[in-house]
Amino acid sequence: ETGVTQTPRHLVMGMTNKKSLKCEQHLGHNAMYWYKQSAKKPLELMFVYNFKEQTENNSVPSRFSPECPNSSHLFLHLHTLQPEDSALYLCASSQGGQNTEAFFGQGTRLTVV
Amino acid sequence: AQKVTQAQTEISVVEKEDVTLDCVYETRDTTYYLFWYKQPPSGELVFLIRRNSFDEQNEISGRYSWNFQKSTSSFNFTITASQVVDSAVYFCALGRQTGANNLFFGTGTRLTVIP
Repeated sequence: ETGVTQTPRHLVMGMTNKKSLKCEQHLGHNAMYWYKQSAKKPLELMFVYNFKEQTENNSVPSRFSPECPNSSHLFLHLHTLQPEDSALYLCASSQGGQNTEAFFGQGTRLTVV
Repeated sequence: AQKVTQAQTEISVVEKEDVTLDCVYETRDTTYYLFWYKQPPSGELVFLIRRNSFDEQNEISGRYSWNFQKSTSSFNFTITASQVVDSAVYFCALGRQTGANNLFFGTGTRLTVIP
């Protein structure tokens, strides 16, 4: 039990599909994040939410759309993705403030066909 | 610009050997934070340690130890008497004091401990 739960663990979708990734944290944290992990590349921060407000969008294409309805839940809505979007998508949460450690979920392995 | 370099892509050691994972960072900030995370095959990143830039004391936690050298901008991680369960990808990360709570990760080092 990591405290950060992501579903689904694996997802295969076509380029015309619409799907959503879900993240839930049970740690009482107020900041949540989406990271993308591609092979042989550093983890890339995609979005940051603090107290449900988006505070950072690292030039992510609009085919990725985040949603944070409350401090415990974070979604990543996907539509018209490309094969190069295939990666491991990791959700994380932290207490916020200045660089408290982040706790990560197990990720969703996404394959776009 | 912030950057973390983990030059070792893959390392293999035989069980019970000691192994050191290198991490070199770049930043213009005077206050910053350094982290190590472990990513086992299950996928999640497991937090191991956080150090701030003002604390250069080396730290030991069981078989793990960390050597922070500000003069060489390095934050190396040593596992003594390695075990098969240590097999994972290890990431070094750099965090800034100001701005978004953003971690800059290295590309990771895949450690394989051979029984």
